[in-house]
Amino acid sequence: GNSVTQMEGPVTLSEEAFLTINCTYTATGYPSLFWYVQYPGEGLQLLLKATKADDKGSNKGFEATYRKETTSFHLEKGSVQVSDSAVYFCALPSGAGSYQLTFGKGTKLSVIP
Amino acid sequence: EAGVAQSPRYKIIEKRQSVAFWCNPISGHATLYWYQQILGQGPKLLIQFQNNGVVDDSQLPKDRFSAERLKGVDSTLKIQPAKLEDSAVYLCASSYNPDRGETQYFGPGTRLLVL
Repeated sequence: GNSVTQMEGPVTLSEEAFLTINCTYTATGYPSLFWYVQYPGEGLQLLLKATKADDKGSNKGFEATYRKETTSFHLEKGSVQVSDSAVYFCALPSGAGSYQLTFGKGTKLSVIP
Repeated sequence: EAGVAQSPRYKIIEKRQSVAFWCNPISGHATLYWYQQILGQGPKLLIQFQNNGVVDDSQLPKDRFSAERLKGVDSTLKIQPAKLEDSAVYLCASSYNPDRGETQYFGPGTRLLVL
């Protein structure tokens, strides 16, 4: 089945710093790719997604580009805020034709003032 | 629109006891998922329902876990008897039409501690 490898954390940044969280995948075909975010004490929320190669997903200042050449979907933000402190998960469907999601282990981000 | 509701939010039990979790998906969402999230890991799918039928329960430990979705709306996940390694957050998610690759919406989860 499909799998995802995500950069391990924790990551600690100062406010307004640049963020990159790496995610690479192994998949059959070109499935949709997702980033989910989990704020403290809350459930997972979809942050952004890309449905085909070269697509760029974006939301709340975060971006990720679906790159089939490098099988990557790295999450970036130009200037992080304290409110971005959360755990970020890269995910993709578990297999061809499946809509069950396989998640990475998560990367905990802490942003300090 | 109301989100996915789960209860209880927290539960502490002793090993060999039983426990049940409840989930109410977003209205109109036919597909419901239960995930187990062990501390420091990503969520792992336990079971997927389409309306009141099971689509996939291949990763559900059926000797101790059971789930049902009567009437195709609410769902209950049960563990009997619980083991120490069942300590985790149990997440419920729902989606409108997975065949169109639509987003899964997650509830806040139930945090289970088995002592």
